Amino acid sequence: DGGITQSPKYLFRKEGQNVTLSCEQNLNHDAMYWYRQDPGQGLRLIYYSQIVNDFQKGDIAEGYSVSREKKESFPLTVTSAQKNPTAFYLCASSRLSSGNTIYFGEGSWLTVV
Amino acid sequence: GENVEQHPSTLSVQEGDSAVIKCTYSDSASNYFPWYKQELGKRPQLIIDIRSNVGEKKDQRIAVTLNKTAKHFSLHITETQPEDSAVYFCAPRGLSGGSYIPTFGRGTSLIVHP
Repeated sequence: DGGITQSPKYLFRKEGQNVTLSCEQNLNHDAMYWYRQDPGQGLRLIYYSQIVNDFQKGDIAEGYSVSREKKESFPLTVTSAQKNPTAFYLCASSRLSSGNTIYFGEGSWLTVV
Repeated sequence: GENVEQHPSTLSVQEGDSAVIKCTYSDSASNYFPWYKQELGKRPQLIIDIRSNVGEKKDQRIAVTLNKTAKHFSLHITETQPEDSAVYFCAPRGLSGGSYIPTFGRGTSLIVHP
C-alpha cells in the first residue's frame, strides 16, 4: 500500500485544460494501472502498462493519455477531449504474473470548475 | 474481456449477522479471485484472495469460496461489526489480449447497523 504515491490529492481543472496526475511506486512492480471511479460506481480501467515504454488501452481510454518512461512512474494526462472528467482516479501496481495482488495509491480527486 | 457481475449491490444487516456477497465471472481462464474493501473516500485494500486450486479460504471472520465450474466466488463475513461497513469489490483476474488483467465488479455497499 504505502509504496504507491499519487499526487495531487485534489485537483481542479478549468474547461479546455489538460491536467496530469502523477503516480510513483517503489515496489519494483512491472505492471501499473489507472482506474477511474465515479460516485457510487465501480472501478473502470483507463490504461495499463506491463513494461517500460509500452502501455495498453483499457475500457475507457478516450480523452486520456499516459506514458511509461520509467518503471517507477506512470503519469496520467486528462485531456480537454475528456468531456466529463470529474471523478476519483486511482493508480495501482502489481507484479506481472497472474496471481498477484493489486496495490492502490491513495487516489486523486479531479473536479472541473 | 471479462464480464463480472456482483450481487447484491446493497446489503444491510444487523451487527452480529452474517453477510454474503457473490461474484460471477465469464472467463474460464481466470485463476485469481480477490476481494477488496473500500471505505468512504479511501483506496480499495485487499482483504482476502483465493487461487484456482483451492475451494475455500478463511481468515478469522472472513472467508472466500470458489466454484470454478459455475464461475462464481463469494465473500462471507460472519459476526459483522459496524467497522465492516464499506464497499466490497471482487476483481477476478482474466486473460485479455494475452495478459492477465483484473476486472472489478460494480461493488456491494455493506451497511452494518449497531
